Amino acid sequence: GAVVSQHPSRVICKSGTSVKIECRSLDFQATTMFWYRQFPKQSLMLMATSNEGSKATYEQGVEKDKFLINHASLTLSTLTVTSAHPEDSSFYICSAMTGTNEKLFFGSGTQLSVL
Amino acid sequence: EDQVTQSPEALRLQEGESSSLNCSYTVSGLRGLFWYRQDPGKGPEFLFTLYSAGEEKEKERLKATLTKKESFLHITAPKPEDSATYLCAVQAAFNKFYFGSGTKLNVKP
Repeated sequence: GAVVSQHPSRVICKSGTSVKIECRSLDFQATTMFWYRQFPKQSLMLMATSNEGSKATYEQGVEKDKFLINHASLTLSTLTVTSAHPEDSSFYICSAMTGTNEKLFFGSGTQLSVL
Repeated sequence: EDQVTQSPEALRLQEGESSSLNCSYTVSGLRGLFWYRQDPGKGPEFLFTLYSAGEEKEKERLKATLTKKESFLHITAPKPEDSATYLCAVQAAFNKFYFGSGTKLNVKP
């Protein structure tokens, strides 16, 4: 199956700093990438959808100035959590959709802990 | 309202005890139904995609089936290593994906 690489897998930062998470599709071009947040023992909560070369579409209640998404190429999307605060601590997961058969593959996730 | 419901929330099985997980959906314009396995602290791992009612797919001890209203993930003679959370997702029009809340499976030796 297709491979989606997500880095870093774990990050600990101080309150007020910004954190960038990368999501790469390694062996296919991803027409669309998605970013999710997952709380313990809960399912995935979609944050935003990004298409290469255009602005991300954010879900209701997600602050676009807080969670900056850049989909610079067909294989790379980044999520930057700006001025992180402890309430931003969570597990963030990206996924990428293949253009040919529209399958959805996930990265391995990033555990963000803001102190 | 488009939604996906998985049941049960949690399932405990003895090794070798077969069972089924359910994913029911009310989504207009179904384009595909996906099953994933998620281990703690990891991203979901792709298992199956089903596109039309009546379709079935198998992989080792897992078999997924689809009707117009629901999908089942059948687990035959499970092993402890099958313990994980199983997620169901439905793809609707405009690349909208709807996720169930998952079934946490625990298989005891």
